[in-house]
Amino acid sequence: EAGVAQSPRYKIIEKRQSVAFWCNPISGHATLYWYQQILGQGPKLLIQFQNNGVVDDSQLPKDRFSAERLKGVDSTLKIQPAKLEDSAVYLCASSLVTLTDTEAFFGQGTRLTVV
Amino acid sequence: QKEVEQDPGPLSVPEGAIVSLNCTYSNSAFQYFMWYRQYSRKGPELLMYTYSSGNKEDGRFTAQVDKSSKYISLFIRDSQPSDSATYLCAMRAGGSYIPTFGRGTSLIVHP
Repeated sequence: EAGVAQSPRYKIIEKRQSVAFWCNPISGHATLYWYQQILGQGPKLLIQFQNNGVVDDSQLPKDRFSAERLKGVDSTLKIQPAKLEDSAVYLCASSLVTLTDTEAFFGQGTRLTVV
Repeated sequence: QKEVEQDPGPLSVPEGAIVSLNCTYSNSAFQYFMWYRQYSRKGPELLMYTYSSGNKEDGRFTAQVDKSSKYISLFIRDSQPSDSATYLCAMRAGGSYIPTFGRGTSLIVHP
């Protein structure tokens, strides 16, 4: 079974530039998450999709971050413009939709450095 | 006070030792408790999950939940150098899809 695919693995940009990350979840997984993991901290949820609808985006800085999941499969996360404090690993995860299923599978992440 | 507290370590132990990793939490609504392992430059992978209080064992790993004390533990028996990683606890309330993560504990098992 193929895992969660993310690209690119690494990205270095200057502040005020824009950047986009891509995620392809495990086939059949209706729920998709984007997390931000700052060095030395646990992952923080940015946004959760169920199919192509947003379930929770309360912690997404909407003035600069946006995400979409067209057709309920792949997803992109964009930052525009980037700030120094956005330097982090951006993790995508997916899971089956049932409430009793707690297993979210994570991709390897995209490591963003803003200079 | 953060909802989930976890000592970042690092915790350094010799090979073969029993390791105890712990988290405390403040939200009494949490009912599902998970432990993830994260190797360097990799995404987290689920090790164990438990519902409500009690113990769960899987090979060398035992997860323990004490809801009365708001305290969860992960025990690793006969630790191996390949267990060296960051261990993240996570938990969520019933009826919620959204887990809250601890900051992770870095474990180093030296030969």
